[in-house]
Amino acid sequence: AQTVTQSQPEMSVQEAETVTLSCTYDTSESDYYLFWYKQPPSRQMILVIRQEAYKQQNATENRFSVNFQKAAKSFSLKISDSQLGDAAMYFCAYRRNTDKLIFGTGTRLQVFP
Amino acid sequence: GAGVSQSPSNKVTEKGKDVELRCDPISGHTALYWYRQSLGQGLEFLIYFQGNSAPDKSGLPSDRFSAERTGGSVSTLTIQRTQQEDSAVYLCASTLDGGRNQPQHFGDGTRLSIL
Repeated sequence: AQTVTQSQPEMSVQEAETVTLSCTYDTSESDYYLFWYKQPPSRQMILVIRQEAYKQQNATENRFSVNFQKAAKSFSLKISDSQLGDAAMYFCAYRRNTDKLIFGTGTRLQVFP
Repeated sequence: GAGVSQSPSNKVTEKGKDVELRCDPISGHTALYWYRQSLGQGLEFLIYFQGNSAPDKSGLPSDRFSAERTGGSVSTLTIQRTQQEDSAVYLCASTLDGGRNQPQHFGDGTRLSIL
């Protein structure tokens, strides 16, 4: 069965600095998708970035980028120029085909001014 | 609608009562997913609908949980004889047709509290 592990329950970063959130996963599949979702106190899950496993190039979305290491089954999220609005729970998720998302337990990110 | 809508936003009920949670997906989205998020935990998959059919209901934790979808749109998650361990946030998500490259769009969830 596929599993997703986020080993950092909490992280903190100073405004304007860079922070990296870790995620590892376990799968025997070769074709899948990986996602990072942000969950602010409002509870809504907001897609931050996604990566297709067959693409070697790391995905980027403005200040957000990933370091995807397929062989190591690692998918970390880098947030550059952190802003106060980035404070939230961040969840890493795995998806195969039309399957459901399998989530990690999340990392709470605090941003200090 | 513009986004996934869930109701009620919050529900408090007594142990042993039945509850119904509603999800209205984005208009035209045929794939619908239910997840449960217990306090301090990640999201746990419950059930997946494609149209009115549920090809994957492997995440339903017990036979007290059931879900249906009618007209390929609104879905209802029903929990019978609620227990305190059912307390959680129940989130619904939808995608256009379940294609693997499509991100799931989430609602704001229903916070269920069992007294």
